[in-house]
Amino acid sequence: EAGVAQSPRYKIIEKRQSVAFWCNPISGHATLYWYQQILGQGPKLLIQFQNNGVVDDSQLPKDRFSAERLKGVDSTLKIQPAKLEDSAVYLCASSLRPSGVAKNIQYFGAGTRLSVL
Amino acid sequence: DQQVKQNSPSLSVQEGRISILNCDYTNSMFDYFLWYKKYPAEGPTFLISISSIKDKNEDGRFTVFLNKSAKHLSLHIVPSQPGDSAVYFCAVRSRDDKIIFGKGTRLHILP
Repeated sequence: EAGVAQSPRYKIIEKRQSVAFWCNPISGHATLYWYQQILGQGPKLLIQFQNNGVVDDSQLPKDRFSAERLKGVDSTLKIQPAKLEDSAVYLCASSLRPSGVAKNIQYFGAGTRLSVL
Repeated sequence: DQQVKQNSPSLSVQEGRISILNCDYTNSMFDYFLWYKKYPAEGPTFLISISSIKDKNEDGRFTVFLNKSAKHLSLHIVPSQPGDSAVYFCAVRSRDDKIIFGKGTRLHILP
């Protein structure tokens, strides 16, 4: 079974530039998550999709971050414009079952490491 | 304000001995507790979990203990092997289904 695919693996941009990350979840997984992991911290949830609808985006900085999940499969996360403090690893995860189900295991991709200079 | 605390940034353990990783949480409303393991340049992978209605769950060399009165969670690895060297994240699930991760503990297994 193929895992969660993310691209690119690394990205270096200057502040105020735009950047986009792509995620392809495990086939058949209805729920998709984007996390931000700053160096030395644990992953922090940015946004959660159930199929192609947003379940939770309360921690997404909506003035500069946006995300979409077209047709309930692939997803993109965009930052525009980027700030220095956006330097982090952006992780995508997916889960088979809907939210609220016991032991709803999330499967993570390898992440995209973003450096904002 | 951290809701999930892993107070040891790193831990070194001799191969074959027991590794004990600790985690404290602040909210008694969490209903599920998880451990994830992360190798460099990879995403976290699910290791083991425990429901709030239990106090122990075992899976091979890995056992998770939950002490609800102390709001404390621990992961025991016995015996420790070189492949166990990784960062371990404690995570909790709230009743509104959000998962909150701790900062992680880096485990080094010494030969």
